[in-house]
Amino acid sequence: AQTVTQSQPEMSVQEAETVTLSCTYDTSESDYYLFWYKQPPSRQMILVIRQEAYKQQNATENRFSVNFQKAAKSFSLKISDSQLGDAAMYFCAYRSATMGSGGSNYKLTFGKGTLLTVNP
Amino acid sequence: NAGVMQNPRHLVRRRGQEARLRCSPMKGHSHVYWYRQLPEEGLKFMVYLQKENIIDESGMPKERFSAEFPKEGPSILRIQQVVRGDSAAYFCASSPSSAHQPQHFGDGTRLSIL
Repeated sequence: AQTVTQSQPEMSVQEAETVTLSCTYDTSESDYYLFWYKQPPSRQMILVIRQEAYKQQNATENRFSVNFQKAAKSFSLKISDSQLGDAAMYFCAYRSATMGSGGSNYKLTFGKGTLLTVNP
Repeated sequence: NAGVMQNPRHLVRRRGQEARLRCSPMKGHSHVYWYRQLPEEGLKFMVYLQKENIIDESGMPKERFSAEFPKEGPSILRIQQVVRGDSAAYFCASSPSSAHQPQHFGDGTRLSIL
């Protein structure tokens, strides 16, 4: 079974600074997807960024980028120019891309989350 | 362009009552997933449904919990004879297909058991 570990329960960053949130995962599969979701106090689950494991290039979305290290099974999220609105719980998630028996290519497996505080 | 709609947003029940949580997927989405988020935890998969079919309910407790996604109408997650431990946020997500497409989440239903 796949597991996702977020080793930082809480992080803080000064407004306009850069912060990196860590995520590691364990899988025996070679084809999968990784995601970062943001959950603000409103408790919505908002997709921040997505990475396909077969792509070597790191995904970027405006101020959000990832450092995907497949061999190390690491998937960190970097937030540049942090804004007050970035304050939220951030969840790393894994989903298999394997279809067929034994492959659950629809289940998202989440880490426990990192609570990000942005200080003005 | 309505997203995934869940209602109610908050639901309070007394122990022993039934809780019914509703989820209307995004337009054009025929795959629905339910997740549960206990306090201080990440979301955990409960069940995956397509229209009129339960595809995978391996994450759902064997007793008291059931889910359906009828041909017409929203998906329903039902919890019978609720207990304190059922207090959680329940999220529904939908996707156009099971593979390759990201799941879009609703705002969740916060269930509180008195």
